[in-house]
Amino acid sequence: QKEVEQNSGPLSVPEGAIASLNCTYSDRGSQSFFWYRQYSGKSPELIMFIYSNGDKEDGRFTAQLNKASQYVSLLIRDSQPSDSATYLCAVKRQAGTALIFGKGTTLSVSS
Amino acid sequence: DADVTQTPRNRITKTGKRIMLECSQTKGHDRMYWYRQDPGLGLRLIYYSFDVKDINKGEISDGYSVSRQAQAKFSLSLESAIPNQTALYFCATSEGGTNEQFFGPGTRLTVL
Repeated sequence: QKEVEQNSGPLSVPEGAIASLNCTYSDRGSQSFFWYRQYSGKSPELIMFIYSNGDKEDGRFTAQLNKASQYVSLLIRDSQPSDSATYLCAVKRQAGTALIFGKGTTLSVSS
Repeated sequence: DADVTQTPRNRITKTGKRIMLECSQTKGHDRMYWYRQDPGLGLRLIYYSFDVKDINKGEISDGYSVSRQAQAKFSLSLESAIPNQTALYFCATSEGGTNEQFFGPGTRLTVL
């Protein structure tokens, strides 16, 4: 089992809808969780990170973490065509280690 | 000027050639990373360095070597390039104790 798993998609949603992106991880001791966005041909950029169980909101983005079930999700409200990109989930297993990335989910928002 | 730069941005080479990809940063970060990205495989960690004297292998280090010449410079070498090393290579940096990794623009390497 790969350490960080994501559905590759594509996930297609209409403009204005909520997009839900999911990620599961295998190491129960993982401490920190990250969502990066990557536009085609560009480098990844951080959207948000979360450490604690529950929800964390930043504008139209909400990250949700459930450590007992070992999953983290990203909700994008009021999706816009400019949100069309690949979303990478990354996990930091413990202090002093590097991030491990999932393969990414491609999101397409149609106008 | 960009905070994390990579040179070259594009490179085409032949099997068996030695290649060096360079990364420089002006962010003052102590930690630097090399990843490769392949379609359908996501970002995979090759090597990382938490300071000038620290080098660690990632999940796919075979066929690669690195050098941390200074806090701001981290180079990736392919001693004898092979076609399956054709990929997009990213350098990233982070500040110790924080979590955000900042990525360079990437180097697209093609090995014929």
